[in-house]
Amino acid sequence: SQQGEEDPQALSIQEGENATMNCSYKTSINNLQWYRQNSGRGLVHLILIRSNEREKHSGRLRVTLDTSKKSSSLLITASRAADTASYFCATDENTGGFKTIFGAGTRLFVKA
Amino acid sequence: DTAVSQTPKYLVTQMGNDKSIKCEQNLGHDTMYWYKQDSKKFLKIMFSYNNKELIINETVPNRFSPKSPDKAHLNLHINSLELGDSAVYFCASSQAAPRQQYFGPGTRLTVT
Repeated sequence: SQQGEEDPQALSIQEGENATMNCSYKTSINNLQWYRQNSGRGLVHLILIRSNEREKHSGRLRVTLDTSKKSSSLLITASRAADTASYFCATDENTGGFKTIFGAGTRLFVKA
Repeated sequence: DTAVSQTPKYLVTQMGNDKSIKCEQNLGHDTMYWYKQDSKKFLKIMFSYNNKELIINETVPNRFSPKSPDKAHLNLHINSLELGDSAVYFCASSQAAPRQQYFGPGTRLTVT
């Protein structure tokens, strides 16, 4: 079964605007990760937030985690055309990380 | 300098054939994975190996047989290919928990 569900499925914004993507999951987790996938490429890890953390920053990225609501959000500030990609959340379903479940992804398009 | 490499990048073959995809990582990681990404970009885990031992087999048909000759390699052999096997297959690797994963560039398999 799919663990993570992203919302929205697609997002189109202008360069300079902020982009927010949401992820919901079903079971308890040890951590949640966000990945980016450019068209035709493999996934690239962006950020990991542990279940006992509520917020984490990395450059223009801000991730929040609400374990009571089983949800997370990824905020990209001051977006650039190069941010155009698909973004996936991933959880480990308490298997020690051996079984990572990816959501369906949000396709972000940033217009120059 | 490639961290996780896969060969071939493209594979076009006919139904019923047998094919293999090779994966190598030079990161010194203990864990390797195979994922299948369908046409809707949904990424699903197939197998996880840790120290050459199979940890996760996500109800993949036994036509798919992974083989890990050493910790740096995880190959995927597929027998009797079917149309539904057409997808992009990604190899990934990670070190100890919390298991940020590094992905290969993918192999696009087309079965005709």
